[in-house]
Amino acid sequence: NAGVTQTPKFRVLKTGQSMTLLCAQDMNHEYMYWYRQDPGMGLRLIHYSVGEGTTAKGEVPDGYNVSRLKKQNFLLGLESAAPSQTSVYFCASDKAAVKHHSNQPQHFGDGTRLSIL
Amino acid sequence: AQSVTQLGSHVSVSEGALVLLRCNYSSSVPPYLFWYVQYPNQGLQLLLKYTTGATLVKGINGFEAEFKKSETSFHLTKPSAHMSDAAEYFCAVSEANRDDKIIFGKGTRLHILP
Repeated sequence: NAGVTQTPKFRVLKTGQSMTLLCAQDMNHEYMYWYRQDPGMGLRLIHYSVGEGTTAKGEVPDGYNVSRLKKQNFLLGLESAAPSQTSVYFCASDKAAVKHHSNQPQHFGDGTRLSIL
Repeated sequence: AQSVTQLGSHVSVSEGALVLLRCNYSSSVPPYLFWYVQYPNQGLQLLLKYTTGATLVKGINGFEAEFKKSETSFHLTKPSAHMSDAAEYFCAVSEANRDDKIIFGKGTRLHILP
């Protein structure tokens, strides 16, 4: 039972490079989320998706793009990496709307540590 | 708009002592409230949540939290701290009529002193 899997776990980029972070979930969840976690800032929502083919902006969407072509995958892209995007990125998935939950919402992956030089 | 304020970025308690982590929220509509725990190099795990009903919510690992609407608070407590409780704790809020996202506080790192 893999749950939420993020790849890669670590990556170092140079300023201006592009890359894609992959999040995969095997729980048939409708909702998926990308967060970034920075010291003293908690988790901030970048983008999220409420179903296959749909995406929406979160709190800090600038500099990122996302795609949800398949229900199980949610990709986070950095087109031109900047040092300010150095962070730990967490993906989460959710089976339904929060109000319908009877147990744990938002299953989290273990994170991707991204450094931009 | 929703927001969450966690008082104290670091809290230290002695092993066996009461744990109290403070969380205040702001929401224009009835909130759903959550506490998550994060151990080093791991993702977040849900400790407990409040949606409706009983305002005292019991979670895993002996933690509980009480929703106090008049104080807009959702403080997390545990009667007796254990060394294994050392971690970072996040309070989060979601609006009851918005089912798509949760807003997190900045986190409180709990240190347990032997």
